[in-house]
Amino acid sequence: DTGVSQDPRHKITKRGQNVTFRCDPISEHNRLYWYRQTLGQGPEFLTYFQNEAQLEKSRLLSDRFSAERPKGSFSTLEIQRTEQGDSAMYLCASSPSTVTDTQYFGPGTRLTVL
Amino acid sequence: AQSVTQLGSHVSVSEGALVLLRCNYSSSVPPYLFWYVQYPNQGLQLLLKYTSAATLVKGINGFEAEFKKSETSFHLTKPSAHMSDAAEYFCAVSDQEETSYDKVIFGPGTSLSVIP
Repeated sequence: DTGVSQDPRHKITKRGQNVTFRCDPISEHNRLYWYRQTLGQGPEFLTYFQNEAQLEKSRLLSDRFSAERPKGSFSTLEIQRTEQGDSAMYLCASSPSTVTDTQYFGPGTRLTVL
Repeated sequence: AQSVTQLGSHVSVSEGALVLLRCNYSSSVPPYLFWYVQYPNQGLQLLLKYTSAATLVKGINGFEAEFKKSETSFHLTKPSAHMSDAAEYFCAVSDQEETSYDKVIFGPGTSLSVIP
């Protein structure tokens, strides 16, 4: 049973550096979501894809953030010119097709910006 | 706009006691409602979901939740707490009020501790 995987699990970077995270969804899941979770908070929606199309982006997603899902398979989330406020857990989830379908979450990538 | 509030950021119960985690939502249209659990160092896992069928929803691990439209609530309960229930619990809501695209809004979470 292959669930959602994320790589890397942990990333420590210096302020101003660029970082890229990868998410591999459950195969044949059309929808892929990115969330950010800070300590003591619930996941905050960042963006989501229906196949390769990015359908919505949160206002939390500044111009320094970009996400792609080429060919509707894996997805990448890039943060340019990282800031200390970007330190958080970045979660990826996938689901078959509609909002009532269960979202399956990956283990997350913990980003620490020094 | 959709929003979720969870009363009590930390709840402690004795092993064998009733678990009650509160969730209230704000939505102008009938919502979909979810409870997720996050065990330490693990990803979020769906406990149960309400999608406009039966108002009493049964989930995994003995949990259930009741949708009460008049109270805009979706409280999570379990008759008897087990040590393994210690985790972070998130209530979430989704509707199509603002856009034609679906998204899920999570509450801030409630940390459940179970005392032996």
